[in-house]
Amino acid sequence: GQQLNQSPQSMFIQEGEDVSMNCTSSSIFNTWLWYKQDPGEGPVLLIALYKAGELTSNGRLTAQFGITRKDSFLNISASIPSDVGIYFCACRTSGTYKYIFGTGTRLKVLA
Amino acid sequence: EAEVAQSPRYKITEKSQAVAFWCDPISGHATLYWYRQILGQGPELLVQFQDESVVDDSQLPKDRFSAERLKGVDSTLKIQPAELGDSAMYLCASSLVQGLNTQYFGPGTRLTVL
Repeated sequence: GQQLNQSPQSMFIQEGEDVSMNCTSSSIFNTWLWYKQDPGEGPVLLIALYKAGELTSNGRLTAQFGITRKDSFLNISASIPSDVGIYFCACRTSGTYKYIFGTGTRLKVLA
Repeated sequence: EAEVAQSPRYKITEKSQAVAFWCDPISGHATLYWYRQILGQGPELLVQFQDESVVDDSQLPKDRFSAERLKGVDSTLKIQPAELGDSAMYLCASSLVQGLNTQYFGPGTRLTVL
């Protein structure tokens, strides 16, 4: 079936460092979404991407929709302690309104 | 700010018992989703409603799970009987219209089956 693989699985960084994570698939998707989930809470949408090659920013977050439509990356600049959480990519399956989620990247920021 | 409400936040039950979770979406949101999130994984869609109608329940284990949204507003997800493997976070999400990518998630119900 369709799967979204995220890497790295987890990362520990120092406050102030930049972070990069990505999401890949063997299938082509037309929409890529990035969510953040805090412990014990539901995911919150960070960025939505709709066109291949699209680069979108939301504050210190930047995400790009890969040209092949099979991947996306999320960058966080100048990380702060509240960036801690799990970051998920998600895609909407073609012809449906069903979303599949990636495996997640767990981020820990050391002050 | 409007939020998706879920209750209970935590539920501990023994296997073979019945459990039910409740979700109240953001007012006016026609589309409602139930997801299951196993620890360490991403959410997996169980069922999607458009108003009171089921749009997709292909991943819902229908032998033990049921979901309803009778008046097209709040929704209930039921498991009967619960099994050990059902331990997970059950998330509800809503969106204004079908296909709109901005899904708003509730805080979830964490189920532990003993």
